Amino acid sequence: GQNIDQPTEMTATEGAIVQINCTYQTSGFNGLFWYQQHAGEAPTFLSYNVLDGLEEKGRFSSFLSRSKGYSYLLLKELQMKDSASYLCAVTDSNYQLIWGAGTKLIIKP
Amino acid sequence: GAVVSQHPSWVICKSGTSVKIECRSLDFQATTMFWYRQFPKQSLMLMATSNEGSKATYEQGVEKDKFLINHASLTLSTLTVTSAHPEDSSFYICSAKSRDTEAFFGQGTRLTVV
Repeated sequence: GQNIDQPTEMTATEGAIVQINCTYQTSGFNGLFWYQQHAGEAPTFLSYNVLDGLEEKGRFSSFLSRSKGYSYLLLKELQMKDSASYLCAVTDSNYQLIWGAGTKLIIKP
Repeated sequence: GAVVSQHPSWVICKSGTSVKIECRSLDFQATTMFWYRQFPKQSLMLMATSNEGSKATYEQGVEKDKFLINHASLTLSTLTVTSAHPEDSSFYICSAKSRDTEAFFGQGTRLTVV
């Protein structure tokens, strides 16, 4: 079966750094996405990794290791507005998006 | 970035009536559109996948006769919730993508059936 695992909830302090991990087991791989979703809103795209390595985009970075079936999203200089759910999703061999359950990130002052 | 417009943003309907939700890709041709449902504090649940010009593929447990999906063009897909009941109240989200791009999401539709 296809499976994506990520922690249910994480707590971090404003100004700090947090790393959200995602492991996956899918039938084929055509890319991994990270999305941010605030409560009551649709998800918004954060990053896309298809090759191994680190992709940096401002305060957010995403890392991928295809051999390990592993990715992480790194958030730096945390702000209160970063409190949200972060969803990991993988595109399989049929270009279907397989979703993780999401990690709820709570930022404390 | 690409824009996907979903309409309406929210709707309240009486039990037994039908509701249609539209999803349009405004500046790109969407070869595939996805329909999701999300209950409060839960993850996105894929309902169905539709490719332009072909019948939608429904996920296990989703009633195809109740949730009618039409993807008549590369820029428009519709989801019709037929004979809606209070348990169908949920947040419905569409997303659209081309083959090698990320999925772009509509704003979502909050359906309340009374």
